[in-house]
Amino acid sequence: GDSVTQMEGPVTLSEEAFLTINCTYTATGYPSLFWYVQYPGEGLQLLLKATKADDKGSNKGFEATYRKETTSFHLEKGSVQVSDSAVYFCALKDNFNKFYFGSGTKLNVKP
Amino acid sequence: DGGITQSPKYLFRKEGQNVTLSCEQNLNHDAMYWYRQDPGQGLRLIYYSQIVNDFQKGDIAEGYSVSREKKESFPLTVTSAQKNPTAFYLCASTPQWGGLTEAFFGQGTRLTVV
Repeated sequence: GDSVTQMEGPVTLSEEAFLTINCTYTATGYPSLFWYVQYPGEGLQLLLKATKADDKGSNKGFEATYRKETTSFHLEKGSVQVSDSAVYFCALKDNFNKFYFGSGTKLNVKP
Repeated sequence: DGGITQSPKYLFRKEGQNVTLSCEQNLNHDAMYWYRQDPGQGLRLIYYSQIVNDFQKGDIAEGYSVSREKKESFPLTVTSAQKNPTAFYLCASTPQWGGLTEAFFGQGTRLTVV
């Protein structure tokens, strides 16, 4: 079945460092891919999305490119801030509108 | 503002009791979902509903029940049969079944068994 695998955390970075959180997926058909962010005690908020191969999603300095050949959707940001500290979830939606989430990666950014 | 409202934010339950978590959306979305999140873990699907009066079991439906009598409402009941109900529960919705849009989430309900 479909699934999402993302790198385990926590990831600890200094402010202004470069961020990469790896995400790979297994899916039949043509899924849509998403990154969500969760702050403590809150629900998930959409960070960015891509609906077809080679699409690049971007928002608030974060980017991810839908790579069908490597089945990946890695999240990147050139310069992280303390306010980016949160848990990040990679997810896919299959052709039947069912969502599959990765286990989440906690990011800690130190000043 | 449109969105998904979950209530209450915190809920305490005695062992052996049933408890119902509320989820209401005013986004006119067709599909609604319930997820369970345990500390340091990802989301696991409990139940989902594509249309009114129809719902399907997810991966961990045992000990839970739902109803979908109205498009905007999808309450989740945690029954006494659920052996370890303490968790963070998230409700979500999407505009249409089969579309390319993302899921919208509520703020969650933290359930604790005392």
